[in-house]
Amino acid sequence: AQSVTQLDSQVPVFEEAPVELRCNYSSSVSVYLFWYVQYPNQGLQLLLKYLSGSTLVESINGFEAEFNKSQTSFHLRKPSVHISDTAEYFCAVSKNDYKLSFGAGTTVTVRA
Amino acid sequence: GAGVSQTPSNKVTEKGKYVELRCDPISGHTALYWYRQSLGQGPEFLIYFQGTGAADDSGLPNDRFFAVRPEGSVSTLKIQRTERGDSAVYLCASSPSGRAETGQFFGPGTRLTVL
Repeated sequence: AQSVTQLDSQVPVFEEAPVELRCNYSSSVSVYLFWYVQYPNQGLQLLLKYLSGSTLVESINGFEAEFNKSQTSFHLRKPSVHISDTAEYFCAVSKNDYKLSFGAGTTVTVRA
Repeated sequence: GAGVSQTPSNKVTEKGKYVELRCDPISGHTALYWYRQSLGQGPEFLIYFQGTGAADDSGLPNDRFFAVRPEGSVSTLKIQRTERGDSAVYLCASSPSGRAETGQFFGPGTRLTVL
């Protein structure tokens, strides 16, 4: 079975500052990796995913994540955050099948 | 197009009562999933449907929980003899197939409170 650890439960950050959300997973086999975002009072939305190939994946709103196999990590970064990035972020893994295993989530609060 | 919808958005019930939670997936999606999200935790897998059949129900916590998808579209999660520990947000998701690489599309959830 795979497990996901999000190392930070709360991340306060000032607007236009960079942010990094850490995610580590444990699995004995290759996995697919995902980041989901949940804005206040909304459902989970897929932010980006790693399936294979280039280890750096990007989203349309400026986030990027890098798959590091040796460190079993998939950290999420954004060089400059906006107020609208305030949300809860979930890292998830899937062992090439239908079942997602989620981390506990990281709440990002962006302040002006 | 329309996303995944779930009704009701909130449900308050008393311990011991029976509840039904409904999920309308994205049209054409053959795969449907239920997850449960307790306070301060990430979603936990409950059950996966491929078409009308439950392909994996290993996440259901006990036999008080049951889910159906009789026509391969709408799904209902049923909880008998509710307990306070069942209080959580129940999330439904759908995907075009059961393959992980397509990603899963989530509904807004039903917040269940058992008094």
